[in-house]
Amino acid sequence: QVVVTQSPSASASLGASVKLTCTLSSGHSSYAIAWHQQQPEKGPRYLMKVNSDGSHDKGDGIPDRFSGSRSGAERYLTISSLQSEDEADYYCQTWDTGIHVVFGGGTKLTVL
Amino acid sequence: EVQLLESGGGLVQPGGSLRLSCTASGFTFSSYAMSWVRQAPGKGLEWVSSISTSGGSTDYGDSVKGRSTISRDNSKNTLYLQMNSLRAEDTAVYYCAKEGWGGHYFDYWGQGTLVTVSS
Repeated sequence: QVVVTQSPSASASLGASVKLTCTLSSGHSSYAIAWHQQQPEKGPRYLMKVNSDGSHDKGDGIPDRFSGSRSGAERYLTISSLQSEDEADYYCQTWDTGIHVVFGGGTKLTVL
Repeated sequence: EVQLLESGGGLVQPGGSLRLSCTASGFTFSSYAMSWVRQAPGKGLEWVSSISTSGGSTDYGDSVKGRSTISRDNSKNTLYLQMNSLRAEDTAVYYCAKEGWGGHYFDYWGQGTLVTVSS
């Protein structure tokens, strides 16, 4: 069964860029994933799907500052021109055989 | 505009039962698989259960398997989660989520409903 690993925390300065990483377990490097944002005291929001070829499909209204990419078993979410409202938890999600869904533990992003 | 509105949460005693509902609008409900995801206080997201478009295929996370049943009524644009034998560790906000095309990922989320299991 696929396992998704995320760093617990990350930080970057206002206006800077940050790259969050999601790592897929051995044998699952071709899996697509989705990124979700959860701002404090709010429900999750879909950001984008990062496909196995590295292309990404963004959700409605997601700014161009958010982009996705991949390298091997790693999937990335890059946020440029960081704004205060980007301070949130970011979750990576994939799915296994059948419809079994797996979430990473989330990365808490602090905007300095 | 896609909207997912959960209801049915509340306080329930250990061992009790609860049925959550999610009313959908703004898209063709019967064309999309749907899921429930939960979040315990201060914790991350945990997948609970998913159901196919017709309801003929379902799957459950290990933590609720055997105690919960997901179902849907496409004529009412509504998703359900029946939870039995509730435990303190089932205390969480339960989110309804719509799956996107081409994979079991969630492209829209509801606002959540809180379930508290306590005596």
